[in-house]
Amino acid sequence: DAGITQSPRHKVTETGTPVTLRCHQTENHRYMYWYRQDPGHGLRLIHYSYGVKDTDKGEVSDGYSVSRSKTEDFLLTLESATSSQTSVYFCASHRTTDSNYGYTFGSGTRLTVV
Amino acid sequence: AQSVTQLDSQVPVFEEAPVELRCNYSSSVSVYLFWYVQYPNQGLQLLLKYLSGSTLVKGINGFEAEFNKSQTSFHLRKPSVHISDTAEYFCALNYGGATNKLIFGTGTLLAVQP
Repeated sequence: DAGITQSPRHKVTETGTPVTLRCHQTENHRYMYWYRQDPGHGLRLIHYSYGVKDTDKGEVSDGYSVSRSKTEDFLLTLESATSSQTSVYFCASHRTTDSNYGYTFGSGTRLTVV
Repeated sequence: AQSVTQLDSQVPVFEEAPVELRCNYSSSVSVYLFWYVQYPNQGLQLLLKYLSGSTLVKGINGFEAEFNKSQTSFHLRKPSVHISDTAEYFCALNYGGATNKLIFGTGTLLAVQP
């Protein structure tokens, strides 16, 4: 699955600064998702998008915002980073074709807030 | 609300022994079920998925899972594990709807010992 690219792959930032993570897909998928992964919690949904400019909150959305101005790009912004947002962030898109129904995941972004 | 439960946070097993990783779900509607594997410091890789049809699903690397609607379970099995199977395993469900959100369990660390 080479259809999703996340950038940056690693980032260290200071508390209180804004941070934007980028997810770029080349599959023309309608649905896209941002997850965070933390030990003991699995992957938890932050925000998702069901089309251009159509987004909604997931289960852990506080402190995060998203934007989707083009089908291929889904941006996650930490408005004012806190240490509790240190995590690994994964982007995903949803494939709806019957022959290959499922999800494509990016390689992840490791974010450290100091 | 839909949810996924992986009761075992860690499963130690000796090499060449069989293993079962348990996954139970809660949903009032039909679901699609997935198992993903994550090797250390890597992204998610799909092991197998259940969409419909035969309840026994075969995946990559010798893994299989059985969908049991009455028990609301989707346990993952392998008859003989290798050291290289050491990884974290995630069960996930999608109940469709308008968002196609993928909900994850908290993960099970399979630790294969020589």
